[in-house]
Amino acid sequence: AQKVTQAQTEISVVEKEDVTLDCVYETRDTTYYLFWYKQPPSGELVFLIRRNSFDEQNEISGRYSWNFQKSTSSFNFTITASQVVDSAVYFCAFPNYGGSQGNLIFGKGTKLSVKP
Amino acid sequence: NAGVTQTPKFQVLKTGQSMTLQCAQDMNHEYMSWYRQDPGMGLRLIHYSVGAGITDQGEVPNGYNVSRSTTEDFPLRLLSAAPSQTSVYFCASCPGTGYEQYFGPGTRLTVT
Repeated sequence: AQKVTQAQTEISVVEKEDVTLDCVYETRDTTYYLFWYKQPPSGELVFLIRRNSFDEQNEISGRYSWNFQKSTSSFNFTITASQVVDSAVYFCAFPNYGGSQGNLIFGKGTKLSVKP
Repeated sequence: NAGVTQTPKFQVLKTGQSMTLQCAQDMNHEYMSWYRQDPGMGLRLIHYSVGAGITDQGEVPNGYNVSRSTTEDFPLRLLSAAPSQTSVYFCASCPGTGYEQYFGPGTRLTVT
């Protein structure tokens, strides 16, 4: 069965520090997608990224970068030079049943607090 | 496009009452899902639909009912509210396999 594990429950950093959020997944699928979502204190869920298992190149978007390693079943998310506005809960997610149901299995989330 | 809309935003129910959480999307997505979010638990799937007229249970379906008579609407019914159903409920739609979920703003439900 698919499973997503975010072992870090809460992380607290000081502004401008780099921080990495870990995500480990389990699947028997050979091709799949992985997702990260952000939930700021206002409560909405914001889509950040989708990666295909075929593509193991690191993805960088501004201060955000993602490291996907199929060999270790990990899809880690790094925020460089963190800012207070990065404070949120971050979720890693994986398609249920290969995506055939159109929904996701979510990790339990990592709460990131960035202090000024 | 309004995207995914949910009503109400907040609701307080007494134990035993029933109610319907409304969800609608205007993106013509076939897939729709309901999740609940509890502290420290992430989002858990309640029910989902892969098209009009087709629904199925997710991880935590007990106490909830759904129907999908149109592509646009996917209401979630609480049959007899219990305090354990106090949660934040998110509706989502998805255009297809491998695509991201588009989430509504959520409904915060308290059952006393």
